Amino acid sequence: DAGVIQSPRHEVTEMGQEVTLRCKPISGHDYLFWYRQTMMRGLELLIYFNNNVPIDDSGMPEDRFSAKMPNASFSTLKIQPSEPRDSAVYFCASSPPPDRDKWSGNTIYFGEGSWLTVV
Amino acid sequence: AQSVTQPDIHITVSEGASLELRCNYSYGATPYLFWYVQSPGQGLQLLLKYFSGDTLVQGIKGFEAEFKRSQSSFNLRKPSVHWSDAAEYFCAVGTLAEGGGNKLTFGTGTQLKVEL
Repeated sequence: DAGVIQSPRHEVTEMGQEVTLRCKPISGHDYLFWYRQTMMRGLELLIYFNNNVPIDDSGMPEDRFSAKMPNASFSTLKIQPSEPRDSAVYFCASSPPPDRDKWSGNTIYFGEGSWLTVV
Repeated sequence: AQSVTQPDIHITVSEGASLELRCNYSYGATPYLFWYVQSPGQGLQLLLKYFSGDTLVQGIKGFEAEFKRSQSSFNLRKPSVHWSDAAEYFCAVGTLAEGGGNKLTFGTGTQLKVEL
């Protein structure tokens, strides 16, 4: 089975440019997460979706960051304009629905990440 | 609020030696606990997870972890380390997401180096 698929794997862009990261979750999963990994802050949850609806975006650092999930098989994380401090690894992850709407601690599956460098 | 502490930033062990990576959590309810591994340039792979029941859980690649409620710990162990185990290891606590799902809060990670 295909896992979570992210693109691009690596991107180098100039400050001020728009960056769009893409994610295809595992089929049948109804939760989608965007995490950011930096040396200074570790792994941070930026935003998550349930059934394509953004639930909690409190981790999004600034208004320059936005995320969408137009359908169950695709999500984007956009940074506009990008800044050098946005350089990080961005992970997309997905998980299946809970059992009978009860918290079941389902496993979250991660993609291989998008390595972003803003110069 | 939930939190995870991994007190060891770096650990070096010799190949064939035993390994224990420490993890302490803070959460008001019964936690769901996870260990993930990240090899250089790769994503995060689940090693094992604890939901309930037996407090000693077995994972992939010969890893195990023990949940100790009294110590708020979930330490990862392996009896004999292989050179290919060199990676970064993350402990995480799962908390309730809206809709009944699970979201993760990660520790800062422990970088494991294996000496041949």
